[in-house]
Amino acid sequence: QLQLQESGPRLVKPPETLSVTCTVSGGSISSGNYWWTWVRRPPGKRLQWIGIINYRGATYYNPSLESRLVMSVDTSKSQFSLNLNSLTAADTGIYYCARAVQVTGSSLIDYWGQGTLVTVSS
Amino acid sequence: EVVLTQSPGTLSLSPGERATLSCRASQSVNNNYLAWYQQKPGQAPRLLIYGASSRATGIPDSFSGRGSGTDFTLTISRLEPEDFAIYYCQQYGASPYTFGQGTKLEMK
Repeated sequence: QLQLQESGPRLVKPPETLSVTCTVSGGSISSGNYWWTWVRRPPGKRLQWIGIINYRGATYYNPSLESRLVMSVDTSKSQFSLNLNSLTAADTGIYYCARAVQVTGSSLIDYWGQGTLVTVSS
Repeated sequence: EVVLTQSPGTLSLSPGERATLSCRASQSVNNNYLAWYQQKPGQAPRLLIYGASSRATGIPDSFSGRGSGTDFTLTISRLEPEDFAIYYCQQYGASPYTFGQGTKLEMK
């Protein structure tokens, strides 16, 4: 059964960089049918899609975060990661990694990790 | 970006009743690429419906989705105790993908 596990710091100081990694098990990160994505939920706000990457490293980012965001993939470790710089308190929230299955012209999120809470505070 | 508005914010019903949840988009959702997810406290979201009306693998037929364009509905025909949760709609027809604010389905 597919499992996605986020790992990273729980507390980060502004304006440092957040690095969160998702480890994929029970399935191949290198399948051409899937993309790998990040979603977050700031407290009291709706879910926000962050960006998406495939096993070759092709990426699409949310324009609202693009200037601060880098996503990467390491197929040898079955992991993908996000790095978000210039953090502010507005970046506090639960960060979810997820799998997205490719559909015609898009991708559908079909499997989610449990999420990891990240707090940005000095 | 496409803004999704879910209603009601909270729905109070009893087991055995029928639940109808709404999701309205600020513009037409391309290809009716509208999904519904269920989330319980401390758990990951679970995909219920995709393409507005297709049930995901393992989802009981008590869950159904319908709609097109800008108006979509999730219906749970007969509520079971385990169905009480928060439900989110999401559009994946245009980037950036966006989510509704959620409907909390609570037990009366």
